[in-house]
Amino acid sequence: AQSVTQLGSHVSVSEGALVLLRCNYSSSVPPYLFWYVQYPNQGLQLLLKYTTGATLVKGINGFEAEFKKSETSFHLTKPSAHMSDAAEYFCAVSERGNKLVFGAGTILRVKS
Amino acid sequence: DTGVSQDPRHKITKRGQNVTFRCDPISEHNRLYWYRQTLGQGPEFLTYFQNEAQLEKSRLLSDRFSAERPKGSFSTLEIQRTEQGDSAMYLCASSLTGEDTQYFGPGTRLTVL
Repeated sequence: AQSVTQLGSHVSVSEGALVLLRCNYSSSVPPYLFWYVQYPNQGLQLLLKYTTGATLVKGINGFEAEFKKSETSFHLTKPSAHMSDAAEYFCAVSERGNKLVFGAGTILRVKS
Repeated sequence: DTGVSQDPRHKITKRGQNVTFRCDPISEHNRLYWYRQTLGQGPEFLTYFQNEAQLEKSRLLSDRFSAERPKGSFSTLEIQRTEQGDSAMYLCASSLTGEDTQYFGPGTRLTVL
């Protein structure tokens, strides 16, 4: 069975500081990995994904993530936080593009 | 491309009542997924369709839950005899077979009193 662990249910950073949201996964097959963002009372929007190929993937809004098989990790980063980045972020894993298994989410707060 | 739409956006009902939600996927997408998200948790998979065929159901989907996609386009999710534990956001997503990205709708928030 697949699973996702997101370390830290809440992360707070200052505007302009580095954003690091942690995600570790468990999968018995080569995983597909995703980060989604959710703003209040809205659905989920895809930030980026890893399926095959280059392990460093770039997404929208300046976010990127690196797939590290040896560490079973897919951490999300952004060099400089903006107030508009405040939201809840979900890491998810799927088996070859089928149903998604999500982590519990990390709420990002950006302080001015 | 108008995206995935869900109706209603909010539903308040009394315990024991039946409710039905609708999801309209992106027009050319043949896969449709339902997820449930409770407060403080990530979405959990409920079921998915490929065209009109329901291919997988989660153990979370009790006998009180039923989903249909009769013509392979829109889908409905019905909950019978609602319980307070059914209060959650119900999310719908769609995708194309062979593509890995699921596109989510805005969700239907159900409150059972």
